[in-house]
Amino acid sequence: GQNIDQPTEMTATEGAIVQINCTYQTSGFNGLFWYQQHAGEAPTFLSYNVLDGLEEKGRFSSFLSRSKGYSYLLLKELQMKDSASYLCAVRGLGDYKLSFGAGTTVTVRA
Amino acid sequence: NAGVTQTPKFRVLKTGQSMTLLCAQDMNHEYMYWYRQDPGMGLRLIHYSVGEGTTAKGEVPDGYNVSRLKKQNFLLGLESAAPSQTSVYFCASRDGDRDLIHEQYFGPGTRLTVT
Repeated sequence: GQNIDQPTEMTATEGAIVQINCTYQTSGFNGLFWYQQHAGEAPTFLSYNVLDGLEEKGRFSSFLSRSKGYSYLLLKELQMKDSASYLCAVRGLGDYKLSFGAGTTVTVRA
Repeated sequence: NAGVTQTPKFRVLKTGQSMTLLCAQDMNHEYMYWYRQDPGMGLRLIHYSVGEGTTAKGEVPDGYNVSRLKKQNFLLGLESAAPSQTSVYFCASRDGDRDLIHEQYFGPGTRLTVT
């Protein structure tokens, strides 16, 4: 099984940077996903890491350390529209399923 | 393409009533999933399917049944609804090659209230 932890809430100012951490304990590992979910909407895919290191996609970056069971999602140049919940999810080795953390609600203030 | 669609969007049931939630996808995806989302608990997997005619239990299957008679549809049934099943239900799908990224695509959700 998987045990996934991430902070419940974070607040940041427009234009700033926020880093959302995710730690996991797993019996097997085959990738870590980050999803964004705006209030009342469906989750949408943001990023995927399966090897150690940093993946960059515009203002968003995601980092993975498999030996530490640790990932973070970095949001740069925050905009009001980035106010949302960010979900960390882990896929087990040879597994069809994802295990999700409880999500981190990010509030961007003007 | 419509992607993943869910019917209905909202529903209120009384305890003991039954209902079926329909999920449809037009992306020819092999795998389909049903999740529930409750405040503070994230997405929890109820049941999933790895192909037409197959289903498997997820993390919280009790009180639910599923069927996948056609590849594009995945039905979630509640035979006797309970207040504990008040939640937002999301359907998701992905295609079949496990060696690639293949993220899950989510439907818009069904808000179910059981009184």
